[in-house]
Amino acid sequence: QSALTQPPSASGSPGQSVTISCTGTSSDVGGYNYVSWYQQHPGKAPKLIIYEVSKRPSGVPDRFSGSKSGNTASLTVSGLQAEDEADYYCSSYAASNNLVFGGGTKLTVL
Amino acid sequence: QLRLQESGPGLVKPSETLSLTCTVSSDSISNSNYYWGWIRQPPGKGLEWIGSVHYSESTYYNPSLKSRVTVSVDTSKNQFSLKLSSVTAADTAVYYCARHDRTYYFDSGAYSEYFQHWGQGTPVTVSS
Repeated sequence: QSALTQPPSASGSPGQSVTISCTGTSSDVGGYNYVSWYQQHPGKAPKLIIYEVSKRPSGVPDRFSGSKSGNTASLTVSGLQAEDEADYYCSSYAASNNLVFGGGTKLTVL
Repeated sequence: QLRLQESGPGLVKPSETLSLTCTVSSDSISNSNYYWGWIRQPPGKGLEWIGSVHYSESTYYNPSLKSRVTVSVDTSKNQFSLKLSSVTAADTAVYYCARHDRTYYFDSGAYSEYFQHWGQGTPVTVSS
């Protein structure tokens, strides 16, 4: 059982927007603005797409955006494209010097 | 471009120790700004952080694995390593090494942490 809770699946049509949630507690997501998101295509290593809730590393399209409210962080993918079909994982700093991941969400582009 | 490459046995017997090495290229592992970490992913499951090391040999581990994990660094070889003892079938996974960006913020009293550069991953099976 993962420390952070994500929906197992999400879907959207090309051009649409989809939001993936990541729910934790006040000891992790809710307590700090240190949530990151990763994209993982099948058989590949994860790729960092968001850090510190809403910052994008260089080279990540601005179609990817992050936010947080209370104990829930969210990743929004706008203008869905076929190559966005992948697994997405959230992660957060947790109290007592720990680092936790969500269980992952499989995004399907219809 | 920073590159990380995992190496080590792909098959380990139950109760034995899993040992992996990560070789870092195009950057010095002695860069004080970063930690170097291990993350694993069991087949069909999510990611789990295992532990990380700084070139100064400062380490910190996932509390759930701490009793079995040792992460160490060899600056002369620009490598860092993972040892996981007393393995069982539950330790079967793809093991990734990664650069661990870790910044302490005094105002929050906590760390911003994320993994920006990853190795390709190496599968490890625990079986007799």
